[in-house]
Parts: sequence; structure tokens; C-alpha cells
Amino acid sequence: DGGITQSPKYLFRKEGQNVTLSCEQNLNHDAMYWYRQDPGQGLRLIYYSQIVNDFQKGDIAEGYSVSREKKESFPLTVTSAQKNPTAFYLCASSARGSGAGELFFGEGSRLTVL
Amino acid sequence: AQKVTQAQTEISVVEKEDVTLDCVYETRDTTYYLFWYKQPPSGELVFLIRRNSFDEQNEISGRYSWNFQKSTSSFNFTITASQVVDSAVYFCALSEVYEAAGNKLTFGGGTRVLVKP
Repeated sequence: DGGITQSPKYLFRKEGQNVTLSCEQNLNHDAMYWYRQDPGQGLRLIYYSQIVNDFQKGDIAEGYSVSREKKESFPLTVTSAQKNPTAFYLCASSARGSGAGELFFGEGSRLTVL
Repeated sequence: AQKVTQAQTEISVVEKEDVTLDCVYETRDTTYYLFWYKQPPSGELVFLIRRNSFDEQNEISGRYSWNFQKSTSSFNFTITASQVVDSAVYFCALSEVYEAAGNKLTFGGGTRVLVKP
């Protein structure tokens, strides 16, 4: 089935450690996104990529890094520089276009820093 | 800057009651798109509807209906005869339409709907 796969679903990390969240899509979409969700705050854009080997910062990129070496994959690294990394992370993809297209989301990864 | 406000953080209803979710947005763009997404307990967001800024016709899809009023910058969502399966968090979102922006969405804070049997 076509869709977006995020892993792991749950992740625990000690303070000071980097952690990488995986996002893979088989929808043949050009654009991919990472959002962070905190209780009561909706979703905030971390990074997005419209094409392979290119990506842009979103509204809250500090403490995060991404890469886009393949069309299907857009991993997110939460670095030790991220002050408050405990959150629910959602990956999405869309057909590249004029902003009219819908986003397709994965089931999310919940990161807890101990 | 774009902004989406969902003033209701949580709504609790009894099954078969109607429930209306409010969404107010701010944008300086004349062309934009509005969306509603549903987030069930499993976590992924499910697309419900997209509406462009030039189409103010209300839309009905089964028990769901949407009321877009550009004059008040609102895009409200009504669930008629609610069911327990409607329990979820619902997000309103606004999209820029420039090519370079891709499909970046600005989300509201979400409204949690709890439908009791």
C-alpha cells in the first residue's frame, strides 16, 4: 500500500544525545515535511524539502537537521542543541505544486527525553 | 504572517448531537487554500477538505459540512448527528500558494472533540 512510514513509533533519549527519526514514502511525492506537535499548540513546521538535495528551514528549525539524498526518504535528526525535544513528530509528503495539494501524513514518532 | 486560530480547545457532546468547530484565519494573501484535517488516536492526520479563497460555496459531505465566509475570515466545520467514531482532534490549516512555498501549511491549535455514547 502507498503511504508514509515513520520509525520508530516511540523513542527515548538521554539528554545530550542526538537521535534520528526515519521517514519513508512510496507515493512518488517530490515534497516532504517535518512537523512538531506539542499539546495544545497544533503543528509547527520544522523543515521541508521540495526536491532531492534541497531543503528549507521552517518556523522552528533550531536544534534540528535533515537530509534529502533520496526522493523517498527525509530523515530528521534531533540534536543535543534542541532545548526541549520531547514532542510528537509528524512527517508528511505532497505532490510539488502551488500550495493547493493536500499533505499526506505518517503515524508519527513520539520522542521522550529522560 | 499567516495565523490560524481555533478558539475551542475541547468540545464534549453526546452522540447524535451536532457539533460546530470554529476556525478563524489571518493572511495578507489574496489567494490561499484552507484545509481541515482529522487526527484520530492513532496519530496520523487525515485530510477532510480543501477550499480555495475564491470559492465561498458551502460544502456538504455526508455528515460533514463546511461554512467558508471570507468577509469574517472564518472556515467553520460542522459534524451533524455526531458518532463516537468522530472523537478526534480536528485541525484547521492555511496554505500559501506560491510555487516556492510548496504546500507549507500553517495549522491552528486544534480542537479535541469527545463524543460520548
